[in-house]
Amino acid sequence: NAGVTQTPKFQVLKTGQSMTLQCAQDMNHEYMSWYRQDPGMGLRLIHYSVGAGITDQGEVPNGYNVSRSTTEDFPLRLLSAAPSQTSVYFCASSRTVGNTIYFGEGSWLTVV
Amino acid sequence: AQKVTQAQTEISVVEKEDVTLDCVYETRDTTYYLFWYKQPPSGELVFLIRRNSFDEQNEISGRYSWNFQKSTSSFNFTITASQVVDSAVYFCALSEAGTGNQFYFGTGTSLTVIP
Repeated sequence: NAGVTQTPKFQVLKTGQSMTLQCAQDMNHEYMSWYRQDPGMGLRLIHYSVGAGITDQGEVPNGYNVSRSTTEDFPLRLLSAAPSQTSVYFCASSRTVGNTIYFGEGSWLTVV
Repeated sequence: AQKVTQAQTEISVVEKEDVTLDCVYETRDTTYYLFWYKQPPSGELVFLIRRNSFDEQNEISGRYSWNFQKSTSSFNFTITASQVVDSAVYFCALSEAGTGNQFYFGTGTSLTVIP
């Protein structure tokens, strides 16, 4: 029962470095999304995709890039890491609009 | 404007007490969905319940119950006879059919159940 798989679980980056958070789901879900969670702010949507080849910006997209070349994968790229991007990142997927979204286990990112 | 408001930041109760977590939402859509998620200390997000805007029936699942009232735009969550394992952060969320399944989360309520 893989569900939504995120890697890596923990990462420390230096300011200015780039990296990719991987996300894969094996449920054939059309909708995938990335959130960041910061203390006192709940979860905020970074980017989302309603299907392969389609992506769109969420509430806090600056500094992040995404692509959706397959239904299964939805990587999140940090172009030039900044300390403000220190956060916990969650990937999520759902079958379609209005359906329950299921989350990966989270990726703890620290930018120093 | 905040679409989902969880006014209670932190709540502490003694084990076996009942506790209600409040959630107030804001939307102009007639079709929308409401959710509750639990985030235990281990950090994962666990789905608890989903309701659509056309179904105002209250729901009970074991010690958990949910009260959905469109008239007050509220979707409150009650835990009966709380247990230490209920200690977690609970998030309420709104998904509007008109915005491509974007989820709007509240800021969460941290519940501590004291043994």
